[in-house]
Amino acid sequence: AQSVTQLDSHVSVSEGTPVLLRCNYSSSYSPSLFWYVQHPNKGLQLLLKYTSAATLVKGINGFEAEFKKSETSFHLTKPSAHMSDAAEYFCVVSDPWGSTLGRLYFGRGTQLTVWP
Amino acid sequence: ETGVTQSPTHLIKTRGQQVTLRCSSQSGHNTVSWYQQALGQGPQFIFQYYREEENGRGNFPPRFSGLQFPNYSSELNVNALELDDSALYLCASTQGTGGAPYGYTFGSGTRLTVV
Repeated sequence: AQSVTQLDSHVSVSEGTPVLLRCNYSSSYSPSLFWYVQHPNKGLQLLLKYTSAATLVKGINGFEAEFKKSETSFHLTKPSAHMSDAAEYFCVVSDPWGSTLGRLYFGRGTQLTVWP
Repeated sequence: ETGVTQSPTHLIKTRGQQVTLRCSSQSGHNTVSWYQQALGQGPQFIFQYYREEENGRGNFPPRFSGLQFPNYSSELNVNALELDDSALYLCASTQGTGGAPYGYTFGSGTRLTVV
């Protein structure tokens, strides 16, 4: 079974400081992992995805995530936060590659607040 | 290319009524999934359609049903609405099945309120 745990429900940073959003996963298979962002009253936007290629994944808007199998982690980072980064972030694992179904399993989300 | 579009954006229904939500998948995508996002929660998988067939279902009762049409657009129907059905309903599309290697494109959702 696949699942993810987002370790922080809220993270607050000052503009220009680094962002770290933590995620641990559980998967019976080599996982496909994603980070999605949701701005207020908007749908979900894909930030980045890991599908067993390079362990350091670069996404949009300066975000990146590192897949660490030994730690079962997939933390999201950004060197310098912008006000526009304030949103809800979801760590997601999918059904394994080659299965008949591609369900996504979402964490509970991390609300990122960016202070000026 | 167009993204995923959902209609309506907001809806208010009375307990016991029925509702139909609609989704147009992204051009070139043949798989549509529906998710329910309750307030303060992550989205939960309802079901998935691939080439007009339901090929997977989450832990939702049979009063949640769906359709996929030949153009790969989709509907979510909910009968006998309950207060707990109040949520944001998200539609997502992708190409093919099997682990979503391409990632899903999500619509902006339909906010359903049951009173």
